[in-house]
Amino acid sequence: EVRLVESGGDLVQPGGSLRVSCVASGFTFSDHYMDWVRQAPGKGLEWVGRVRDKANNYTTEYAASVKGRFTISRDDLKNSLFLQLNSLKTEDTAVYYCTRGGRQTRSGYIYGFDSWGQGTLVTVSS
Amino acid sequence: DIQMTQSPSSLSASVGDRVTITCRASQDINNFLAWFQQKPGKAPKSLIYAASTLQSGVPSKFSGSGSGTDFTLTITNLQPEDFATYYCQHFGSYPLTFGGGTKVEIK
Repeated sequence: EVRLVESGGDLVQPGGSLRVSCVASGFTFSDHYMDWVRQAPGKGLEWVGRVRDKANNYTTEYAASVKGRFTISRDDLKNSLFLQLNSLKTEDTAVYYCTRGGRQTRSGYIYGFDSWGQGTLVTVSS
Repeated sequence: DIQMTQSPSSLSASVGDRVTITCRASQDINNFLAWFQQKPGKAPKSLIYAASTLQSGVPSKFSGSGSGTDFTLTITNLQPEDFATYYCQHFGSYPLTFGGGTKVEIK
């Protein structure tokens, strides 16, 4: 069974930093891109960013709203995904979900987003 | 960035109804379109990708169609467990973006 478990959400002051984590199990973590998606209270879904696999040099992509402030990384030995949140703003308050991204195969790209964690709440407030 | 516009933003329907939700992209995205269902307090669930391909385990009452800029999600024989918010997402280029959501409520 595929499982994604986030942790690390907390109350942080504006301008502060936080690191949230996601531990994966039940699949070959290293084969997959991994994504973060967030949802502000009562609002819709917003894609935060992606980290690719080792074959693609662990390169990353980010939404414009977080680029330069957030950093996504992964540790394939520990089946873990990380989101470092810096220079936090009140508008970053949201539930942060990790989700299994797609994977590259010889046949092409296989779409992901088929497994999600339960989310971790980050609250930015003074 | 590609903008995804869903309509309607909400709708009321009865058990047994057939409902259709529309998603429009601000530019041609070929078939790089996915649909998600989200219930209150829960993580989203992937229903469809590549505009019309059902994710494993998703019942055939859900169907998707479209290509280019205009897409639809159709749900037949609406059941109590189908009342939820539905989102479209484009995934063909960065940044990936979601539509604003369509809340399907019980009439």
